[in-house]
Amino acid sequence: AQTVTQSQPEMSVQEAETVTLSCTYDTSESDYYLFWYKQPPSRQMILVIRQEAYKQQNATENRFSVNFQKAAKSFSLKISDSQLGDAAMYFCAHIARGGTSYGKLTFGQGTILTVHP
Amino acid sequence: DAGVTQSPTHLIKTRGQQVTLRCSPKSGHDTVSWYQQALGQGPQFIFQYYEEEERQRGNFPDRFSGHQFPNYSSELNVNALLLGDSALYLCASSRTDIIYEQYFGPGTRLTVT
Repeated sequence: AQTVTQSQPEMSVQEAETVTLSCTYDTSESDYYLFWYKQPPSRQMILVIRQEAYKQQNATENRFSVNFQKAAKSFSLKISDSQLGDAAMYFCAHIARGGTSYGKLTFGQGTILTVHP
Repeated sequence: DAGVTQSPTHLIKTRGQQVTLRCSPKSGHDTVSWYQQALGQGPQFIFQYYEEEERQRGNFPDRFSGHQFPNYSSELNVNALLLGDSALYLCASSRTDIIYEQYFGPGTRLTVT
């Protein structure tokens, strides 16, 4: 079974500053993806960034980057130059491409990010 | 191109009643997954439909059932509603060959009183 743990229920950051959200996971699969999703009050789940387990290079999408430590099963999200629109609940998630958990997204508990002007 | 759509947006039901939620996948997608998100929690996987069959199922009781139609749209049915079924129900669609790219709908907020 897959588990995803986010140990920071809430984080805050000043506008234009950098913040890092933490995530650890456990999986028995070797072929999987990890994600960070953003869910604003509108409830729409928005994909922020994706990391394939086989790729050693950390994924980057504009101001968003990850630190993927496969051996430690750690997957943190760094938001640079934080903007007011980044305020939301952030979820770390895992999906296996094979095995008994194929195609099932497993989410962490979420981290509420507040951005102060 | 319309994304994933869900209906209704909100609904209120009474304990013991039955409810049906609907989802239309993104154009070109053939797989639909359903998730339950309790307030302040991460989504939990309910089940996944492909080729009109339930392909995967999470740890949810048989009160939760679903269906997928030939046009790939899907329904989630919940019988004998409990207060604990109050949640946001999210539908996600994908192509089965790119199962990791799941696009989410806006959700249906179900309140059970």
